[in-house]
Amino acid sequence: DQQVKQNSPSLSVQEGRISILNCDYTNSMFDYFLWYKKYPAEGPTFLISISSIKDKNEDGRFTVFLNKSAKHLSLHIVPSQPGDSAVYFCAASGNFGNEKLTFGTGTRLTIIP
Amino acid sequence: DAGITQSPRHKVTETGTPVTLRCHQTENHRYMYWYRQDPGHGLRLIHYSYGVKDTDKGEVSDGYSVSRSKTEDFLLTLESATSSQTSVYFCAVTGGKGYGYTFGSGTRLTVV
Repeated sequence: DQQVKQNSPSLSVQEGRISILNCDYTNSMFDYFLWYKKYPAEGPTFLISISSIKDKNEDGRFTVFLNKSAKHLSLHIVPSQPGDSAVYFCAASGNFGNEKLTFGTGTRLTIIP
Repeated sequence: DAGITQSPRHKVTETGTPVTLRCHQTENHRYMYWYRQDPGHGLRLIHYSYGVKDTDKGEVSDGYSVSRSKTEDFLLTLESATSSQTSVYFCAVTGGKGYGYTFGSGTRLTVV
């Protein structure tokens, strides 16, 4: 049972445009959500997070939106840059991040110069 | 940087042989995790530890065992490797509050 789903395995976006990565979850106990970025031959690295008490969190070019009623979150990258090409994982946790993380299957983002 | 070192970085082994992967951390984190990454499955938790000699199973623990005799070391053992255990293995520790986990660079294991 996949509790965190990323339904798009891959996404290609022109440099300078907006990249939107989506994530859905089924467990209503999840209240803390994170995005990780992974380059080949490296471990995932933390990108941005959001708590269920918010519906938006922004950090530079990265914004995460949370729609609790739809159990959906999205990551917006504006403007997209070639260095953003990577695999992006969303992850979810309960107890405001104090429980184990459950990861999605990942979306490979390719930025086209 | 949580100072996480995984060894070896790459390993090829034969079916039926035992294999041990090592995760070493330098910042005294209490919680440590082993994940495997496979296409179409993302990152799946194998085992985790919440202290010395305290470990528990994750969602894909069959065929794996772990040990943690020191705070800094978390070992993952495949008792008898199978081809289905060919994967990239990541160790993680709990990072600062709000950052989730900090991951090591991974071990690519191929079972032939």
